[in-house]
Amino acid sequence: KAGVTQTPRYLIKTRGQQVTLSCSPISGHRSVSWYQQTPGQGLQFLFEYFSETQRNKGNFPGRFSGRQFSNSRSEMNVSTLELGDSALYLCASSLSGSADTQYFGPGTRLTVL
Amino acid sequence: GIQVEQSPPDLILQEGANSTLRCNFSDSVNNLQWFHQNPWGQLINLFYIPSGTKQNGRLSATTVATERYSLLYISSSQTTDSGVYFCAATTDSWGKLQFGAGTQVVVTP
Repeated sequence: KAGVTQTPRYLIKTRGQQVTLSCSPISGHRSVSWYQQTPGQGLQFLFEYFSETQRNKGNFPGRFSGRQFSNSRSEMNVSTLELGDSALYLCASSLSGSADTQYFGPGTRLTVL
Repeated sequence: GIQVEQSPPDLILQEGANSTLRCNFSDSVNNLQWFHQNPWGQLINLFYIPSGTKQNGRLSATTVATERYSLLYISSSQTTDSGVYFCAATTDSWGKLQFGAGTQVVVTP
């Protein structure tokens, strides 16, 4: 089985722009979660989607949003980028949720200038 | 929410040495996983271990759920074992994994 894929792998944006990141889960997995990793804050949960519905959301501002499509692929969007949004964004795929084994993609490294 | 603490924060090993990493968690869990993050940022799943003991090659893990801790053992360490080891846990059926701060492991030749 193919693993979790994320695109793009690297991204450079300027403050005020918006960005969309994509995650394709393992075939048959219906849950996709997103995490932000920074040196100062570690790994922080953004949100989780299952069958096109957001089931849980972390403590991030409304500039961070996401969605999931019928094929379980997920996108996250960050609007009005700030310097502090520079981070590694990781998505995790699982069969049905956080009680299952989580498989992570390679991540998208976002730099905001 | 659940609190996850890892120790030690840093570990320097000579190749061939054995080591134990610890993860304490504050509540009953229905998922506990150990990950290795390589230098490129990829989180690689090592163990799904909400309870019991598992072994995979030179790595093994034990979770004592009643006492709320998990241990990851690295035996005969190799330079390729270098990286950051995270444990993550949840009490939910869906939603977030709570990650610990990680243990940075450096294995020297």
